[in-house]
Amino acid sequence: RKEVEQDPGPFNVPEGATVAFNCTYSNSASQSFFWYRQDCRKEPKLLMSVYSSGNEDGRFTAQLNRASQYISLLIRDSKLSDSATYLCVFLDSNYQLIWGAGTKLIIKP
Amino acid sequence: EAGVAQSPRYKIIEKRQSVAFWCNPISGHATLYWYQQILGQGPKLLIQFQNNGVVDDSQLPKDRFSAERLKGVDSTLKIQPAKLEDSAVYLCASTVRAGSNSPLHFGNGTRLTVT
Repeated sequence: RKEVEQDPGPFNVPEGATVAFNCTYSNSASQSFFWYRQDCRKEPKLLMSVYSSGNEDGRFTAQLNRASQYISLLIRDSKLSDSATYLCVFLDSNYQLIWGAGTKLIIKP
Repeated sequence: EAGVAQSPRYKIIEKRQSVAFWCNPISGHATLYWYQQILGQGPKLLIQFQNNGVVDDSQLPKDRFSAERLKGVDSTLKIQPAKLEDSAVYLCASTVRAGSNSPLHFGNGTRLTVT
């Protein structure tokens, strides 16, 4: 099993809809979790950290399910500008960052 | 705050040639990473420095890749000789301290094409 798995997509979603995707991880000792956003031909940028109790930042909600070993990202009222690739990242027990391959999201007008 | 600086932005070379990339991290960031990102994939760690020491270079193809951060500030990554499969974007990132929740800050990357 890969250390981290994401559905590559693309997820084609109409503007204004809600979309969610998950990221599963295999290392149960993983310590910290993050979602990064990467626009086409650009560098990744931190979108949000994922806290145990779940956290929200505007239209974005991140959740952690330790029992099932996955994190999720939910985007409400999606905008055209949300089109990007969303990368999940976690910090393993050796303090190394493990990156997913990303989920591509396309918001359509 | 100035971001992570990388150069060049683009490089096209023929196979078997050599190439070097440069990175200047954000001031005060002790940890510096070099990643290789192939289209459609997530970043793959090549090497991680803590100040001027190597923390992890387990995925660095040491027969052809080398990197240094001699003074614990800027860093260079070299490929010699290049292969076709080295075509990728090379991203440099820095953070205040590895293992903390402080985010990685990436440079714009160097897009390498090997022909």
